[in-house]
Amino acid sequence: GNSVTQMEGPVTLSEEAFLTINCTYTATGYPSLFWYVQYPGEGLQLLLKATKADDKGSNKGFEATYRKETTSFHLEKGSVQVSDSAVYFCALSPLMDSSYKLIFGSGTRLLVRP
Amino acid sequence: EAQVTQNPRYLITVTGKKLTVTCSQNMNHEYMSWYRQDPGLGLRQIYYSMNVEVTDKGDVPEGYKVSRKEKRNFPLILESPSPNQTSLYFCASHEDSPNTEAFFGQGTRLTVV
Repeated sequence: GNSVTQMEGPVTLSEEAFLTINCTYTATGYPSLFWYVQYPGEGLQLLLKATKADDKGSNKGFEATYRKETTSFHLEKGSVQVSDSAVYFCALSPLMDSSYKLIFGSGTRLLVRP
Repeated sequence: EAQVTQNPRYLITVTGKKLTVTCSQNMNHEYMSWYRQDPGLGLRQIYYSMNVEVTDKGDVPEGYKVSRKEKRNFPLILESPSPNQTSLYFCASHEDSPNTEAFFGQGTRLTVV
């Protein structure tokens, strides 16, 4: 079946530190991969996406590369800010599934201290 | 402004009292979906709709109903809520393609006592 596994949080970093949040997936076929971010009290927002192997998604200084050989889509940022504090969700969309649903990981809470 | 609007944002109710959570989108999207978010489990799809009058079960549909009489609206109905339906609920919409961005509402925090 399809599933997404994310590293457990919370992740606590100092401002300007390097961020990595690990995400691996299991899927049949070649899914699209996404990172969504949830700020306190808000709904989820798309952060970045990649639709095929070796694609790199990027936005607001965040990057993630679709690695088919390791079934991974790790999120990285070179220098985090306090405003990046949020919950980050890795998700996949199985292309062969007519429901078009997103399958989410459990989420990783990031706390950035000044 | 592209928007998915859910109401209410917060709701406390008693076991067995029917309730409806409304969801409306202004992007003319065909595809809409309901998810519930629980600690350690991420978001799980409850029901989805591919167009007006076309709905189907997601991964956790038990205890829920939906309807899609108009393209913009997709209400979630709990006929007889139970405490295990205490959760954070999100409505989402996107265009008719699995590669496109999903737009989420702000969420409805439901507590069933």
